[in-house]
Amino acid sequence: GDSVTQMEGPVTLSEEAFLTINCTYTATGYPSLFWYVQYPGEGLQLLLKATKADDKGSNKGFEATYRKETTSFHLEKGSVQVSDSAVYFCALRKNTGNQFYFGTGTSLTVIP
Amino acid sequence: NAGVTQTPKFQVLKTGQSMTLQCAQDMNHEYMSWYRQDPGMGLRLIHYSVGAGITDQGEVPNGYNVSRSTTEDFPLRLLSAAPSQTSVYFCASQGTTDTQYFGPGTRLTVL
Repeated sequence: GDSVTQMEGPVTLSEEAFLTINCTYTATGYPSLFWYVQYPGEGLQLLLKATKADDKGSNKGFEATYRKETTSFHLEKGSVQVSDSAVYFCALRKNTGNQFYFGTGTSLTVIP
Repeated sequence: NAGVTQTPKFQVLKTGQSMTLQCAQDMNHEYMSWYRQDPGMGLRLIHYSVGAGITDQGEVPNGYNVSRSTTEDFPLRLLSAAPSQTSVYFCASQGTTDTQYFGPGTRLTVL
C-alpha cells in the first residue's frame, strides 16, 4: 500500500547549520508530496509541496525536490534558526481521492 | 476566517465514558477528516467525509463514530472510551486545492 518513510529523530543542530530530513515514499501513479510543520502545542501547517516529478517546493528557506527516480522528497535548509525547532512531517496524497498518508514525523531542535 | 476550530483543547475521561470532539470549518470545504497522533506513529486517519451526508472509514476507525449533517461541522464521537484512545486528535479540512488545513488539536486522556 501507499506509505511514507522519513528519517528517525530527534535531530539537534546548532544555529546556522545545514539541515536535511530524508523522506521516501511508496505509491502507485503520481502522488503529490508535502512537508508539514508542527510547532509546539499547535496543529500541522503546510510548509511546502510539489505536485509532479522534478518540481521543487520552497518556503521560508526550506526546499524539497520531487525525485521520482529515487521516490524521495528530502527536506533541506541551508541555515537553520532557533525558530525552526518543530516536528516535520512528510506526506503524500494520491492523485485519485483525497487521502493523505503521513510519515511518523522528525523532531528538530535548534540550539543557539 | 477562523479556519478549522476544535473543542475542547483538553479532556480527561474515565474508561467507558462517551464524549464528542467538535470540529468546525468556515472555508466551505467539502473534505474533512479526523486523525489521531501518537508518539512514533505519526498521524493516522480515523474517519473522513467528502461532503455533507457522506462519511467513510480511515485506517483506525474502531471505537469512533462520525456524522456530517452540514458542510461546516464534523464531530467525532467516542462511544465507550478506552485507555488505548489516549491521544491527540486533529481535525482537518480541504477544499479544491490539495492542501489540508488542520485545527489546533484536542489532547485526550482516558484513565
